[in-house]
Amino acid sequence: TQLLEQSPQFLSIQEGENLTVYCNSSSVFSSLQWYRQEPGEGPVLLVTVVTGGEVKKLKRLTFQFGDARKDSSLHITAAQPGDTGLYLCAGGGVTGDMRFGAGTRLTVKP
Amino acid sequence: KAGVTQTPRYLIKTRGQQVTLSCSPISGHRSVSWYQQTPGQGLQFLFEYFSETQRNKGNFPGRFSGRQFSNSRSEMNVSTLELGDSALYLCASSITGTGHGYTFGSGTRLTVV
Repeated sequence: TQLLEQSPQFLSIQEGENLTVYCNSSSVFSSLQWYRQEPGEGPVLLVTVVTGGEVKKLKRLTFQFGDARKDSSLHITAAQPGDTGLYLCAGGGVTGDMRFGAGTRLTVKP
Repeated sequence: KAGVTQTPRYLIKTRGQQVTLSCSPISGHRSVSWYQQTPGQGLQFLFEYFSETQRNKGNFPGRFSGRQFSNSRSEMNVSTLELGDSALYLCASSITGTGHGYTFGSGTRLTVV
């Protein structure tokens, strides 16, 4: 059983479309991170959110941390083929036991 | 600055053998975590070391062990390999392991035949 549930599991869209992926849990996290992973490589950190209700923007990516610090969303505007990859959310405990969701595999077609 | 270095990159072992994987974290990072990634289970937490002490452990059998040296480099060992141990093993480092994101290495792809 995943501590963090991500949805959707798979997403295939056309270039230029918008999308949102979700990360939900019944647990409260001290921090939450989003990563993107490409085949054969390790995940790369995109953002860390710490405060409930926090919104962070990274170019076309918008990250939101839920008020209760149990859930998060990632919104991508005008997706591009370079956004293709596995998007992972991870929740941090107090003593460094970061747990990951199963991921959303995004494909953006040109 | 140099990233997280994992060696070897690829490894093929036979059932019953043991294997040792190495991870060199970013300079100044004292926390090193290990994960197993498989298509069916995703990223599963193995253990985390901080200042040479195992601080957290996931739900893996005792065949999986690790250690951290005084220079923060870490090794993980898997004894009596099983076919199901075939996976990408990822190491991640962070300054403290709490509240900060991780920097991952490229992983070691282990195949057990």
